[in-house]
Amino acid sequence: AQKVTQAQTEISVVEKEDVTLDCVYETRDTTYYLFWYKQPPSGELVFLIRRNSFDEQNEISGRYSWNFQKSTSSFNFTITASQVVDSAVYFCALRHNQGGKLIFGQGTELSVKP
Amino acid sequence: EAGVTQFPSHSVIEKGQTVTLRCDPISGHDNLYWYRRVMGKEIKFLLHFVKESKQDESGMPNNRFLAERTGGTYSTLKVQPAELEDSGVYFCASSLRTGPQWPQHFGDGTRLSIL
Repeated sequence: AQKVTQAQTEISVVEKEDVTLDCVYETRDTTYYLFWYKQPPSGELVFLIRRNSFDEQNEISGRYSWNFQKSTSSFNFTITASQVVDSAVYFCALRHNQGGKLIFGQGTELSVKP
Repeated sequence: EAGVTQFPSHSVIEKGQTVTLRCDPISGHDNLYWYRRVMGKEIKFLLHFVKESKQDESGMPNNRFLAERTGGTYSTLKVQPAELEDSGVYFCASSLRTGPQWPQHFGDGTRLSIL
């Protein structure tokens, strides 16, 4: 089975708090790719990051960081010192080496209050 | 460079009517994808074009949905006749090449409401 689960439907935090968005995936393939997308209120899905299954190094980009752990099939996303502009729906997605389609999770709606 | 453009942004029609959604990919992108999100659930894949050819249409829900990409440029997705369960947001995405190292760039989506 190929599946992505984002168990947190909605998260609400106060500005400057750190927040982690969870993503758990299922796949039988050894080569695959994981993605995070952000959907702000404007509606467009914005690509944030891509990781392949052979690279478990954590990645940091400004206030954003990603923790990829194959042992737990997780690819979690942390926002440090959250800001109101981070309010959006965040989607985690899985893609296999062959084929083009992305398999998305249900999305986590993050609300950052001032 | 213009991004992926979708038209209309919002469409409200009655059950049984026909609706056509349009997607203009980023110029030069061979790959075009259609996805939809129904009732706040996960975004689901519908189909994938490489130029004008359908590479994968495994996600198309039934024969009421028809996608075309004549000439390998813009694409249309027609729903005929529309049913209540077709309501949702339809996203289009494009990528320069097929491989996973080429990210898919998404449009703003078309919100389809069936009454």
